[in-house]
Amino acid sequence: DAKTTQPTSMDCAEGRAANLPCNHSTISGNEYVYWYRQIHSQGPQYIIHGLKNNETNEMASLIITEDRKSSTLILPHATLRDTAVYYCIVRVAQRPLVFGKGTRLSVIA
Amino acid sequence: DVKVTQSSRYLVKRTGEKVFLECVQDMDHENMFWYRQDPGLGLRLIYFSYDVKMKEKGDIPEGYSVSREKKERFSLILESASTNQTSMYLCASSVAHQGTGELFFGEGSRLTVL
Repeated sequence: DAKTTQPTSMDCAEGRAANLPCNHSTISGNEYVYWYRQIHSQGPQYIIHGLKNNETNEMASLIITEDRKSSTLILPHATLRDTAVYYCIVRVAQRPLVFGKGTRLSVIA
Repeated sequence: DVKVTQSSRYLVKRTGEKVFLECVQDMDHENMFWYRQDPGLGLRLIYFSYDVKMKEKGDIPEGYSVSREKKERFSLILESASTNQTSMYLCASSVAHQGTGELFFGEGSRLTVL
């Protein structure tokens, strides 16, 4: 599976959009981009995934660049409950997820 | 909603004890996984299973074994617990051959080996 690079930490003001970047320059054509988050003391939670096109669901939007070498997870109106570690993972469908260190997002009131 | 239940949230065991960590999912998922999570190291895959009686080694299988006798249950076994196995253990499950296999995680089992 391709490797990903994420910033170690980010801050975001409550009510503002949180934009979390991820680089995956070695991604191959059949690899999906997944985002999970882990709130303190809980198991990771699926957020969204995509292959080529931008995706949106009730939690977030995923923007994938045309060359697929990077992506951005957008939380449109961050709340204090969005404070968590966010993991960007690239993998072929059905293979186990390999987690990196993720980005620690702190939403500040 | 999918529910992945881990039998114990907190366990304290002694070095050399045999430890069983149980995981049950109620959504008929084919795939099940065991991870451990340690500060600074993130989540690491121990073992996984794509079907009953099947098991595959993950990245750090040493010191562990698993059992998948029924589809809904995936057990992680520490044959002789050691202090370096003190960790948070996370179980997950996913559907096979449908979509792209979103993982559902349990709440975790925090094991302390003294």
